[in-house]
Amino acid sequence: DTAVSQTPKYLVTQMGNDKSIKCEQNLGHDTMYWYKQDSKKFLKIMFSYNNKELIINETVPNRFSPKSPDKAHLNLHINSLELGDSAVYFCASSHNGGNTIYFGEGSWLTVV
Amino acid sequence: SQQGEEDPQALSIQEGENATMNCSYKTSINNLQWYRQNSGRGLVHLILIRSNEREKHSGRLRVTLDTSKKSSSLLITASRAADTASYFCATLGGVQGAQKLVFGQGTRLTINP
Repeated sequence: DTAVSQTPKYLVTQMGNDKSIKCEQNLGHDTMYWYKQDSKKFLKIMFSYNNKELIINETVPNRFSPKSPDKAHLNLHINSLELGDSAVYFCASSHNGGNTIYFGEGSWLTVV
Repeated sequence: SQQGEEDPQALSIQEGENATMNCSYKTSINNLQWYRQNSGRGLVHLILIRSNEREKHSGRLRVTLDTSKKSSSLLITASRAADTASYFCATLGGVQGAQKLVFGQGTRLTINP
């Protein structure tokens, strides 16, 4: 049973392209997140949504636009991809914004 | 800026030995959590310790928290090859309704058979 699932797992694309990563959770959580993990394994929050409402936006470039059509989904769209966007992007969810966070398996984005 | 710093960045021990990883943080917290990440996988929650707790156990895991020193440690006893992974501490803080989990850079643990 997949708790937090995100697609695609691997994505290789050229600079300047636009791409999306989709995320769905079946845990009944009301809070969802996007985290970015760089090549040095540093994991940083990008966005947090609670009940489809944006709660946290960590000064992420506006080329990154999250969209939450409902509580169970939080998609990430990235415009005009740059080399520095290459990273692993993790979707996650939690109940009521706190305590234990459940992570997806990650989406490996490589911009060439 | 990054909240937590972990020490050591990498640790290699023999199977059966104990592994200790340390984490320091900078601001006040509600709780501190430890996560494990196997290579190529997502993070898995291991244990949570609240700011008013000093020690917590879960199986072979023992976590301590010293809020006066803003530090925590994770001890894995009787290590196994399957414990090989990266371990991250994360602190939960911020205002109610907009709390966020801030991660350290992790400790890469290798258990040699």
